[in-house]
Amino acid sequence: GESVGLHLPTLSVQEGDNSIINCAYSNSASDYFIWYKQESGKGPQFIIDIRSNMDKRQGQRVTVLLNKTVKHLSLQIAATQPGDSAVYFCAENTGTGRRALTFGSGTRLQVQP
Amino acid sequence: EPEVTQTPSHQVTQMGQEVILRCVPISNHLYFYWYRQILGQKVEFLVSFYNNEISEKSEIFDDQFSVERPDGSNFTLKIRSTKLEDSAMYFCASRGDRGGGYTFGSGTRLTVV
Repeated sequence: GESVGLHLPTLSVQEGDNSIINCAYSNSASDYFIWYKQESGKGPQFIIDIRSNMDKRQGQRVTVLLNKTVKHLSLQIAATQPGDSAVYFCAENTGTGRRALTFGSGTRLQVQP
Repeated sequence: EPEVTQTPSHQVTQMGQEVILRCVPISNHLYFYWYRQILGQKVEFLVSFYNNEISEKSEIFDDQFSVERPDGSNFTLKIRSTKLEDSAMYFCASRGDRGGGYTFGSGTRLTVV
């Protein structure tokens, strides 16, 4: 289930390492997924998205993996940099244009120099 | 790169007062949204707006809330009588008609005292 409250799960990595952030979703009807990065005091910033007809999509230094069988989404960041430090949220919806996103509870990524 | 613009960045208001939060979505987008984020928690959906009407709203979006698109560029969220628990970051987002990612503004921090 989702965690709600002031304590976000935190992933701490060394600069240059790869990071993997995980997300479980509950709605089996969801067919569109997005990863957002949120820095302190700012709005969510789009990183990468994936539709349910795919199980992997790559961007620049980022890869999203989707496992529909277990309703699991992951974000992999290669060669993590201090500028990657932020809270990362997964979000999902059922794909039609007007549908709103449902956000997960977020993971804080801390990159140690 | 096109942006969603929100004003003001910070609004302090007394309990019981009305506030209007303003957003300028990306000009060729058709779907508009308001979300809120209480400090340290996940982003929560409030309302979506399409074709000059509300298309979906959450339980949070009660009679105290209203939205309006008064002209071709602005999208506003009004809270008629603010409560302490309305204190949060409020994010506006928009989306184009070809799907793809939702673009979020930088938010308005609302503090009700």
